[in-house]
Amino acid sequence: GAVVSQHPSRVICKSGTSVKIECRSLDFQATTMFWYRQFPKQSLMLMATSNEGSKATYEQGVEKDKFLINHASLTLSTLTVTSAHPEDSSFYICSARRSGGENTGELFFGEGSRLTVL
Amino acid sequence: GQQVMQIPQYQHVQEGEDFTTYCNSSTTLSNIQWYKQRPGGHPVFLIQLVKSGEVKKQKRLTFQFGEAKKNSSLHITATQTTDVGTYFCAGRSGGSYIPTFGRGTSLIVHP
Repeated sequence: GAVVSQHPSRVICKSGTSVKIECRSLDFQATTMFWYRQFPKQSLMLMATSNEGSKATYEQGVEKDKFLINHASLTLSTLTVTSAHPEDSSFYICSARRSGGENTGELFFGEGSRLTVL
Repeated sequence: GQQVMQIPQYQHVQEGEDFTTYCNSSTTLSNIQWYKQRPGGHPVFLIQLVKSGEVKKQKRLTFQFGEAKKNSSLHITATQTTDVGTYFCAGRSGGSYIPTFGRGTSLIVHP
């Protein structure tokens, strides 16, 4: 099956610093990746859709200057939380869908990254 | 915009009892997917339903897609402790390729 690797799995940072989270599709190409935020015992909140070679599409209420998304290749998308504050502490998960004719609509999720901002 | 409502939010069952979670969409769906997220883990794809009235089974799990393609259910027969986790439905409508996730139902199975 398709594998999506997300790194780091856990990160603790000081308030005001920036944190980069990587999402890689290991054995397939993904022109589209999604970034979610999940609060404890709650659902997946879609933050943005990351498109290879173009700007990300952000959901309403998500600050694009706060959460920078880059999808520079068909297998890698990154989310950078800039000037992180304690309220940004959360579980961030990415997902990817196969490109083109191999796409069945199924989403493959990364393992998630738990961010703690002190 | 499209909304997907999922109930119940939590369900406690004794091992061996059945379990059902329901999803309802405000719009007609082109398809619906189901995912399972174990505690501390990430969502894993279970199945996708596309046809009106479709029923699919995976061992003790039965998935249904309503005739109007606006609702779906997941039923687990004779739950086991390994079934513990949160089950999410995710529906797509129109030409959108972005699924909208329900809130999820957390299943707790007591041995």
